[in-house]
Amino acid sequence: EAGVTQFPSHSVIEKGQTVTLRCDPISGHDNLYWYRRVMGKEIKFLLHFVKESKQDESGMPNNRFLAERTGGTYSTLKVQPAELEDSGVYFCASSQMRAGETQYFGPGTRLLVL
Amino acid sequence: AQSVTQLGSHVSVSEGALVLLRCNYSSSVPPYLFWYVQYPNQGLQLLLKYTSAATLVKGINGFEAEFKKSETSFHLTKPSAHMSDAAEYFCAVSDWPGSARQLTFGSGTQLTVLP
Repeated sequence: EAGVTQFPSHSVIEKGQTVTLRCDPISGHDNLYWYRRVMGKEIKFLLHFVKESKQDESGMPNNRFLAERTGGTYSTLKVQPAELEDSGVYFCASSQMRAGETQYFGPGTRLLVL
Repeated sequence: AQSVTQLGSHVSVSEGALVLLRCNYSSSVPPYLFWYVQYPNQGLQLLLKYTSAATLVKGINGFEAEFKKSETSFHLTKPSAHMSDAAEYFCAVSDWPGSARQLTFGSGTQLTVLP
């Protein structure tokens, strides 16, 4: 069974540009989460999808971040325009719809904004 | 609100020595607790999890953790460290089916294993 995949693995952009990150969850997982780790800090929650609906987006830092989940399958996270403080590692995770269910993480996208 | 504290951002042990990584949590409801490991240039991999069954949880690679409600702790141990255990370890809490289904992570502990 394929795990969670993320694309790209690395992205280097200039301040003010736009970047779109993609996450493909494990097939059949209705829950999809985005997390971010800024250098030197802890991993922080951004938002949670259940199928195609946003269940919780309380962790989104500001309106420069836009997440979508098309047809309840893959998800994209767009940052527009990017700022220096957006640099970090963006993780995606997916899980089944049961309490305490394991969240399976992708390898992350390393974003550097110059 | 739930939170996790990992004591010690860096821990060094000799190969063959006991590994002890500390994690304390706070949660408004009985929690689900997780330990994840991140090897260099890889994603997060689940080591073990506590979901209100046995308080002593065994995971992969010889790791185990004990849930102690009175101490609000979930420390990770391994009797004998191996060089391949060098990685960053994260403790996390979720209070699903409470309001917060997402994981709240500690700040991570970098484990170094000395030859």
